[in-house]
Amino acid sequence: DAGITQSPRHKVTETGTPVTLRCHQTENHRYMYWYRQDPGHGLRLIHYSYGVKDTDKGEVSDGYSVSRSKTEDFLLTLESATSSQTSVYFCAIRTGLADYEQYFGPGTRLTVT
Amino acid sequence: GESVGLHLPTLSVQEGDNSIINCAYSNSASDYFIWYKQESGKGPQFIIDIRSNMDKRQGQRVTVLLNKTVKHLSLQIAATQPGDSAVYFCAVTNTGNQFYFGTGTSLTVIP
Repeated sequence: DAGITQSPRHKVTETGTPVTLRCHQTENHRYMYWYRQDPGHGLRLIHYSYGVKDTDKGEVSDGYSVSRSKTEDFLLTLESATSSQTSVYFCAIRTGLADYEQYFGPGTRLTVT
Repeated sequence: GESVGLHLPTLSVQEGDNSIINCAYSNSASDYFIWYKQESGKGPQFIIDIRSNMDKRQGQRVTVLLNKTVKHLSLQIAATQPGDSAVYFCAVTNTGNQFYFGTGTSLTVIP
């Protein structure tokens, strides 16, 4: 599992509330990613990080923000959750600079009611 | 951007037969390609990768073929086993940061 944990694993929240998902890795990899997975779509990149305090947007970044204050933690925040953000969220790490292999966490299932 | 598609959303094979799962991509600048396996309720699991300077790469019971001319890659699984039942995705990138995933092929192995 490449030492990746995600918390919480399941969450139900109401529309308009803020939500923060956490990704934690134990191997000090530089690159970390947040994806969402929805039926009929492949995994879609939300944001990624290439170091502490270095982040960039992916293809579906609207409505999401991220922070990385420590190498081991990458946080994804939904400032004001909407029903369209109901999804399964996966965190991933990349294991090297020239090596693009990604390893994924177990996922967080988020339901916005 | 990039568009990644899989040719079949579902595939059923008999145990012991070979499986072939296909993927097409749109951006000729893509230079790195990965296949993932995802079991129900779990995160995607890395299977095998290939760079654009290769056209074939083999792993344990799996082979990835890349045809850059037609922007197509395939995953071949030899002697398919019940434990191979899962959803299989391809992913492509040319930067190592922006990855684009296909929607997945659900493989069912019939005992």
